[in-house]
Amino acid sequence: KNEVEQSPQNLTAQEGEFITINCSYSVGISALHWLQQHPGGGIVSLFMLSSGKKKHGRLIATINIQEKHSSLHITASHPRDSAVYICAVKDQTSYDKVIFGPGTSLSVIP
Amino acid sequence: DVKVTQSSRYLVKRTGEKVFLECVQDMDHENMFWYRQDPGLGLRLIYFSYDVKMKEKGDIPEGYSVSREKKERFSLILESASTNQTSMYLCASIRGPGNTIYFGEGSWLTVV
Repeated sequence: KNEVEQSPQNLTAQEGEFITINCSYSVGISALHWLQQHPGGGIVSLFMLSSGKKKHGRLIATINIQEKHSSLHITASHPRDSAVYICAVKDQTSYDKVIFGPGTSLSVIP
Repeated sequence: DVKVTQSSRYLVKRTGEKVFLECVQDMDHENMFWYRQDPGLGLRLIYFSYDVKMKEKGDIPEGYSVSREKKERFSLILESASTNQTSMYLCASIRGPGNTIYFGEGSWLTVV
């Protein structure tokens, strides 16, 4: 069983749709990251969470520590949101080793 | 802005060659990581370092070694490159617990 799982694996949405990507994990964590990887390969950090909710523009990230679950929401999706979204956790038992989820490939169609 | 720089973006090497991939960060981060990314397998941790001269094996260390002589620099070494090491290699760094991860832009290595 993978320590970090994401669903769905692939997602196609129409422009304007509300999108949710889920992440569940099985290890004790000090923080969880949502990352965005564009086709060229570059990765940027969207959010870092250790509790509660964060919002940045059209992106909202939530985390439930007790349930070991996080969600990334994209409101009013746009084709430029097309990317791979990766959930990553910092394993607090191992020097904050970062464990990545498999990623969710999002395609937003105009 | 924090910067994580991978010196080589695209490399083509022959089987058996020694390959060095360098990563430099400019924000005095303690923790640095090397990952490889392959289609369908996501990001897999090769090695990480939590301090100068310290290193820990990740999930797939076989065929790789690392060097961290200075805090800002973390090098990944392929002693004898093989075709199954053709991949995209990604370096990352973090100051410490509770801080943002920063990534380099990736190094695409092809071993022929």
